[in-house]
Amino acid sequence: KAGVTQTPRYLIKTRGQQVTLSCSPISGHRSVSWYQQTPGQGLQFLFEYFSETQRNKGNFPGRFSGRQFSNSRSEMNVSTLELGDSALYLCASSSTAPTNYGYTFGSGTRLTVV
Amino acid sequence: GESVGLHLPTLSVQEGDNSIINCAYSNSASDYFIWYKQESGKGPQFIIDIRSNMDKRQGQRVTVLLNKTVKHLSLQIAATQPGDSAVYFCAENMVTDKLIFGTGTRLQVFP
Repeated sequence: KAGVTQTPRYLIKTRGQQVTLSCSPISGHRSVSWYQQTPGQGLQFLFEYFSETQRNKGNFPGRFSGRQFSNSRSEMNVSTLELGDSALYLCASSSTAPTNYGYTFGSGTRLTVV
Repeated sequence: GESVGLHLPTLSVQEGDNSIINCAYSNSASDYFIWYKQESGKGPQFIIDIRSNMDKRQGQRVTVLLNKTVKHLSLQIAATQPGDSAVYFCAENMVTDKLIFGTGTRLQVFP
């Protein structure tokens, strides 16, 4: 079956702009989590959605937001982009709630803010 | 942030040798642990997991050991191959469903 699909793979944005990233989970998976990966901070949890509800949120400013649709696809949005937002944004899906079987990650969206 | 990412420690091993990658986790309440492998340009790939009621679990060429007393996790890779070269992360999971990742270890396999 198809894995977790993230689009786009690469993005270049200008400081101050906003961006929307998309994630399609594995079919049947209802939990979607987002992570930010940077060389300096490693992998950090952004938020997690299950059945269109945000269940958990990490320690990121309000400029970072997300949502989940009825088909479990998720989007995350970053407004007023800063240079420090340049990172690999990873989406992971899981089938159980609460998850006990790990997450399947997508290949990520590489965001560069200039 | 909750995951501290500094420069990655590197483990260099010869092809065919066994590799041991270590990880210290942060929360004694964590009840589920996962090892991930990340290759350049890709997302983390699940390798093996273990619950807190176990201290050892084996997969194909991989073994995870859990020592709850000292909050330590290790990944053993038998007969390491060039395709095993990657960054390896441990992750801990609490009932909140949030994964907390370790800093990662770069594994380099040389012939």
